[in-house]
Amino acid sequence: DADVTQTPRNRITKTGKRIMLECSQTKGHDRMYWYRQDPGLGLRLIYYSFDVKDINKGEISDGYSVSRQAQAKFSLSLESAIPNQTALYFCATSDFSGDTQYFGPGTRLTVL
Amino acid sequence: QKEVEQNSGPLSVPEGAIASLNCTYSDRVSQSFFWYRQYSGKSPELIMSIYSNGDKEDGRFTAQLNKASQYVSLLIRDSQPSDSATYLCAVNQEDNFNKFYFGSGTKLNVKP
Repeated sequence: DADVTQTPRNRITKTGKRIMLECSQTKGHDRMYWYRQDPGLGLRLIYYSFDVKDINKGEISDGYSVSRQAQAKFSLSLESAIPNQTALYFCATSDFSGDTQYFGPGTRLTVL
Repeated sequence: QKEVEQNSGPLSVPEGAIASLNCTYSDRVSQSFFWYRQYSGKSPELIMSIYSNGDKEDGRFTAQLNKASQYVSLLIRDSQPSDSATYLCAVNQEDNFNKFYFGSGTKLNVKP
């Protein structure tokens, strides 16, 4: 089984809908991250969490919220989706050393 | 704003040649440097990390770091068609050890 999983893998939704993307990991890492990837813009950090009680905004947090339900689970929500949130979303984890980030398979989100 | 810059490419090299990928970063406190490979539609995977000036070799891959010039590169020797992918440069800063900044990636095409 994959160490970092994301659900759903693909989602098409309409403007104004609330969407939740979920991430789970079995690596035992404390640190979890949400990124979005757009063509030509690389990976941009949305939110990150260093433990269950610690949530931090990244570069592009507007329009997003997160919940760290447990060490192994980190969810990203779009309260009211808009078309420019169409992107590929990745969850990642790292251990306390921060030496390496392990990425999930990604969720391709399309907002119509 | 912290920036990591890469030439988007595509960089085309013949099979067996050396591919040279470059990355510059703007923040002098950057401490750790990483190269990720991303196949189309897949998640990034770490291929090299480098922390001190000089060269670091791992099989066909060599990472080169010059902190004075704020420059990190990746050389791929004996390039293979399977190396065709987008290569992402990432840095993290001493002041925020677990926060990564990614470049937009360089697309490499290795022609048989």
